[in-house]
Amino acid sequence: DSGVTQTPKHLITATGQRVTLRCSPRSGDLSVYWYQQSLDQGLQFLIQYYNGEERAKGNILERFSAQQFPDLHSELNLSSLELGDSALYFCASSTGLQNTDTQYFGPGTRLTVL
Amino acid sequence: QQPVQSPQAVILREGEDAVINCSSSKALYSVHWYRQKHGEAPVFLMILLKGGEQKGHDKISASFNEKKQQSSLYLTASQLSYSGTYFCGTDYSSASKIIFGSGTRLSIRP
Repeated sequence: DSGVTQTPKHLITATGQRVTLRCSPRSGDLSVYWYQQSLDQGLQFLIQYYNGEERAKGNILERFSAQQFPDLHSELNLSSLELGDSALYFCASSTGLQNTDTQYFGPGTRLTVL
Repeated sequence: QQPVQSPQAVILREGEDAVINCSSSKALYSVHWYRQKHGEAPVFLMILLKGGEQKGHDKISASFNEKKQQSSLYLTASQLSYSGTYFCGTDYSSASKIIFGSGTRLSIRP
């Protein structure tokens, strides 16, 4: 158990809908990262937040947005969902901003868009 | 630039050794290695910083060749529990984001 929690574990929805994925980092961690992993694919970095502020952006679609709240939990919002958005979405947390800080991954949310 | 991992897949018998390589076209700052079992979250193995260091963790070790812009992960006397997909993540400065390779799938057979 990494200490990072993600809800829900599974999500099934229809095209065009909007969903929110939630992540609670490890106690004391200030950085939260979101990744997308499609079937048999690698990890695609989406976005990073540090202490409530956006710090780095990866290949995140405009239909996707995220935020980190004062209690440091983070939410990833996916809207106008398409079939291709079906994937595992992982959240990871680390203590600080440095890339040398270990990232601890949550169990993931499996999103299925029908 | 996504790092290139090789091989893409490898099948071993229990007790055999394996080497997984991670190459970059740009000078690396650090390399991160993770293992992911099917349906589970990636689990951190180790981080190597530029400087050509080598690290070890039980029978899993890794090296970082700054000149070749490459890192190698060594699995010695593999165990069934080593099965999974190994990802390397690379970055080019302390502030840049980590980019993961496409993974190497390792299968260990009894």
